[in-house]
Parts: sequence; structure tokens; C-alpha cells
Amino acid sequence: QEQLVESGGIWVKPGGSLRLSCAASGFIFSNYYMSWIRQAPGQGLEWISYISSSSAYTNYADSVKGRFTISRDNADNSLYLEMNNLRADDTAVYYCARDAMTSSYHYYMDVWGKGTTVTVS
Amino acid sequence: DVQMTQSPSSLSASVGDTVTITCRASENINDYLNWYQLKSGEVPKLLIYAASTLQSGVPSRFSGSGSGTDFTLTIKSLLPEDIATYYCQQTYRTPRYTFGQGTKVEI
Repeated sequence: QEQLVESGGIWVKPGGSLRLSCAASGFIFSNYYMSWIRQAPGQGLEWISYISSSSAYTNYADSVKGRFTISRDNADNSLYLEMNNLRADDTAVYYCARDAMTSSYHYYMDVWGKGTTVTVS
Repeated sequence: DVQMTQSPSSLSASVGDTVTITCRASENINDYLNWYQLKSGEVPKLLIYAASTLQSGVPSRFSGSGSGTDFTLTIKSLLPEDIATYYCQQTYRTPRYTFGQGTKVEI
């Protein structure tokens, strides 16, 4: 079945760097936009980045712009999030999600991973 | 950026009740509105997309309505397994897919 599995979350000191990975299976990964979303402790969901199916387009929330970089490897069915200059407020569970789209360009996230935890302290 | 405001932030209801959660956008987003359910320790689950389309496999007691700036998620005949936090999300004003702050439903 369609599945996303994140990895790479660990404890890191402020100012440090980290790379998260998301392995996709059960669907044609190269057909879909993909997103990263996070949830800080006690807080709500925050979309932080997406990447188009061919990697031609990327975008970021203001909170991570200039520090995080999203990328993908369609040959390996993998999504990545490179995180630099980490701050305490980046502490969160990080989810990857598949962006589905209707014929009228309604986007929605229909497959989610279980998340990986990043702690910055 | 479009701001999404949900109300209430939390509610307590009884099994069998009908629960209504409201989501208001700071500007017109047509029907580019999704609803998600997040249970503690579980993967977020898509419930509704395009304001009113039920995602495959989601029970029909969940429904969505609205357009423009005001949207509603309704849960009819609330069940214990519906205890969760519910989030709305706009995907009209790309490139930023804004979530509401969440509504916690308790029984």
C-alpha cells in the first residue's frame, strides 16, 4: 500500500544541521508534489515546504526560508529536508506528505508518514 | 499570507452528538479548503478536500461545507474514536498552505 517513512530525526544543538529523509513506496513517487509539515510540542500543524514532481519548483514557509532546503530523488523514491542553523523553535515532529491534486487544482495531502522527531537544545 | 482561524479551540461533547467546527479565512479562498484529523500518536488523516468532498474511506458522518471565507466541518453521531484534534488547511494562496490552529474534540 501507499506508504511514507521518515527518518533522520535526532537531538541536535542550536546552530547545528540535520538531514531528514522520507522513503516512499506503493505509488509512483515521480508523479506527485511532496511536502514537509511539522508539529511543535503542544502546537498545531505547520506546513514548511513543498517540491514539485520534477523538482522544478520549491517553496518554503517564512519561518524556515533560507535555512531549510527541500529536495528529492525520483530514481530512489526519496524526499529530503536539509536543515541548517537550527534553533530551539525548530523542535518538532516532522512529517512528509504526498500532495494530491484534483482536475481543478485543489491540492490536498492524502498520504502522511508517521513523522520523525527533531529536538534542538 | 492567508490566516485561518478555527473555532472553538476545544469542545466537549457526548457520544451521539452532532459537532460543528468552524474555519474562517482572512480572505476569499473559494473552496480550496481541506480538513484533517490528528489523533494522539497517530498519522494525520485527510477527511475532506475541496471544502466538501469526502476522502475515500472516511465515514459518512463527517461532512464539510462552505465557500469563500467561511467553512464548517460537521461530525454527526459522534463516536469515541472521533476524539482528536481537527485542522483546516487552505491551499488557494499558494505557495503557502496555511493550517488553522486546530480544534480539540473531547468526550
